[in-house]
This record gives sequence, structure tokens and C-alpha cells, in this order.
Amino acid sequence: DTGVSQDPRHKITKRGQNVTFRCDPISEHNRLYWYRQTLGQGPEFLTYFQNEAQLEKSRLLSDRFSAERPKGSFSTLEIQRTEQGDSAMYLCASSLGSQQYFGPGTRLTVT
Amino acid sequence: SQQGEEDPQALSIQEGENATMNCSYKTSINNLQWYRQNSGRGLVHLILIRSNEREKHSGRLRVTLDTSKKSSSLLITASRAADTASYFCATDLSNSGYALNFGKGTSLLVTP
Repeated sequence: DTGVSQDPRHKITKRGQNVTFRCDPISEHNRLYWYRQTLGQGPEFLTYFQNEAQLEKSRLLSDRFSAERPKGSFSTLEIQRTEQGDSAMYLCASSLGSQQYFGPGTRLTVT
Repeated sequence: SQQGEEDPQALSIQEGENATMNCSYKTSINNLQWYRQNSGRGLVHLILIRSNEREKHSGRLRVTLDTSKKSSSLLITASRAADTASYFCATDLSNSGYALNFGKGTSLLVTP
């Protein structure tokens, strides 16, 4: 199965530490999206890339959040100086068109 | 902010019964999608309905869209225990490629 993969699946970190998550999209998909999902809520859009260009980043939650997709393939999402409120599931999705294919997510716990 | 609002928030039925979930949204859309999320698994796309369509079927799923009321419904017929999951409607976010705006979801429990 060559679906969307995310690494790590779980991350526990202490407040103030930086964390980085990786997403590998479906290989032929040119669009890649990051979402955040908290308990009892639907996913919340953060940012997206078309190939290597980040076309929307105004919805990133704060300037502590940044994302890259350096060669138009995999992407990373970094959170600097983590806070307890950053605890959530971080989802990555990729697409060619309207239908998005989601990865299993990275669950972040900030202690 | 989340545009879609699903109703009910939770639904419990027995196997074989039909389940209906509703979604309302606020702004005009190009299309509306439904996704399913099982406990511990990622989101899975179920069906997409375009703004010029009124009804669409896929297997045991039936989706309707009423753009005048800004609402959609998802009907699952002859439900199975494996249908137990959270169901989300999602609309396209303007000026964000195909990025999606999800509702809070309906939690469906199907008991044998």
C-alpha cells in the first residue's frame, strides 16, 4: 500500500522543546496539506503546498509553526517552543484534485 | 473556524438500521465531501458531491445536497458494526487550493 505515511506516529515532548513531523505523500500527488485535529473536533486546515511552493500559510496557528516541502516530495511540519495547547493529532493529506488522501497522523503530547 | 456543522453529534443504532447524518454550512461551495474516521485510523474519503448535483449514491451511501438551504445529508443503509466511526462533512476553503473546512462530525455507533 503506497498511501500517505507520517512519522512519527506518536511524539511526547516537554513544553518548550521543538518538534518536527514528516509526511510522505502519494508519489504522483502534487498537493500536500497539513491539518490539526483536537479531541472531539474535525480537522483544522493549517497550510498547503503545490509541488514545492507553499501557497497558503496564513492559517498556521502561530509563528512557532512552519512547514517545508523542499523538493516537492515529502514535507515537514515544525513546531518551535511547544506549548501544552499544541497537543493534538497532526494530519497530512495529499491530492491531485478535490479528493484528499490522509495519512494516519502524528499524535503530539506536550507535557 | 469550522464551517460545517453536523447533526446529530452522536447517533446510536442497531445493525441493519439506516443512519442519517446532516451537515449545514455557511458560505457558497464548489463541492461537499464526506469522510469517515475510525478510532485509531486516518480519515477516509467516502463521497464527493458537486454544487450542481442534488443526489449521489455509492454502494450503501446516499448523499443529498441542497445549496439553497446550505445543507447536505449522508444516509447509510443497512448499517453494519463496521460502520461505527465518526463522519465528517467538508467543504472547500476559498483561495486555498482544494483545502477542506471540516465540521465537528457525527459519532456513529452501530451495535450488533
